[in-house]
Amino acid sequence: SQTIHQWPATLVQPVGSPLSLECTVEGTSNPNLYWYRQAAGRGLQLLFYSVGIGQISSEVPQNLSASRPQDRQFILSSKKLLLSDSGFYLCAWSVRVGTTTDTQYFGPGTRLTVL
Amino acid sequence: SQQGEEDPQALSIQEGENATMNCSYKTSINNLQWYRQNSGRGLVHLILIRSNERETHSGRLRVTLDTSKKSSSLLITASRAADTASYFCATDADGNEKLTFGTGTRLTIIP
Repeated sequence: SQTIHQWPATLVQPVGSPLSLECTVEGTSNPNLYWYRQAAGRGLQLLFYSVGIGQISSEVPQNLSASRPQDRQFILSSKKLLLSDSGFYLCAWSVRVGTTTDTQYFGPGTRLTVL
Repeated sequence: SQQGEEDPQALSIQEGENATMNCSYKTSINNLQWYRQNSGRGLVHLILIRSNERETHSGRLRVTLDTSKKSSSLLITASRAADTASYFCATDADGNEKLTFGTGTRLTIIP
């Protein structure tokens, strides 16, 4: 069966510090991968998605970047965190079905607080 | 911008009653999905309806889709306290490989 891992679960970082959040998927190959951010009590904002190794699409210009160094690994980074980067970060994967997307499977999320 | 908008934003009902949530969207879609999120957790897929379907169901869940009105509804029958969560609709616009999520409905079931 497929599983998705995210770490860390919670993170408190000072403004201006770097960030690295990791997401890995097991039990599937060549998945689509997604990073979302959710502000408190709000919906999900798609940040990045990837359809293959080294292929990253950015949805919102911002202080963050993403990389996919391996097929089932997706990393969210920042060189210098801002207060506005605080939020709940969710990674998800889906099976590639051509030009559409089917069910997405979410990780447990990382709660980031920037102070 | 959000493709989907759910209403109501919040809903409180007594256990055993039915809960109905609505979702409106703006563009043509391939499918529409509903997800559930317990507080502080990741989202869990509940049900998917394709653009050529008008209704589908799974257990206590029933979803309808009206593509002419660009709207969908999620009905949870015989609600339970464990159904307390936020519910999101998500749409898969034609020609891309991503979902756009709505703003969510926060459902509270009162025991």
